[in-house]
Amino acid sequence: GDSVTQTEGLVTLTEGLPVMLNCTYQTIYSNPFLFWYVHYLNESPRLLLKSSTDNKRTEHQGFHATLHKSSSSFHLQKSSAQLSDSALYYCALRTGANTGKLTFGHGTILRVHP
Amino acid sequence: EAGVTQSPRYAVLQEGQAVSFWCDPISGHDTLYWYQQPRDQGPQLLVYFRDEAVIDNSQLPSDRFSAVRPKGTNSTLKIQSAKQGDTATYLCASSRDWGANYAEQFFGPGTRLTVL
Repeated sequence: GDSVTQTEGLVTLTEGLPVMLNCTYQTIYSNPFLFWYVHYLNESPRLLLKSSTDNKRTEHQGFHATLHKSSSSFHLQKSSAQLSDSALYYCALRTGANTGKLTFGHGTILRVHP
Repeated sequence: EAGVTQSPRYAVLQEGQAVSFWCDPISGHDTLYWYQQPRDQGPQLLVYFRDEAVIDNSQLPSDRFSAVRPKGTNSTLKIQSAKQGDTATYLCASSRDWGANYAEQFFGPGTRLTVL
């Protein structure tokens, strides 16, 4: 079945350093759609980024990601981490227009310290 | 625009007890999703509806779980006889037009269930 694998557990960074959270996926579907959701403490998870066409970068709120079908990846990046980026990040896969189902990874906690 | 609301926010049960969770989606969203999120895992889809119709309930443990959305607005998820393995956060989400490739799902705050 479909699956999503993310950077395990906790990533701790110093403010100002670059962020990279890994996301790879497995599916037999040839045209997947990938999403990054962010979950801040005491809030609901919300959409951060969604993929575009193969090898095209998408950006939002300083974060960016590029869908690479050749490597089945959709890594989340940011050039300079901020304290306010501390949150739980989920990568999610949707396999096509005939399903509304999202398959989520386990999540990666990002903790940014001064 | 009000977000997705859920109640209760917390529930603690003994094994064998029943519990119901309630969700009010964003107004105008035709699609409603229920997810189960065990501790330290990502959300896992249980069931989703378009209006009042079930689109996919293949992941819903049908012997003890049931979900309805009778008027195509609010929804109730019920666990008939809870087990310790049901301990998780139950998230409700809604979206417009689930068939759109990038249909954004908006999540509620979740109900944290503990079964003792």
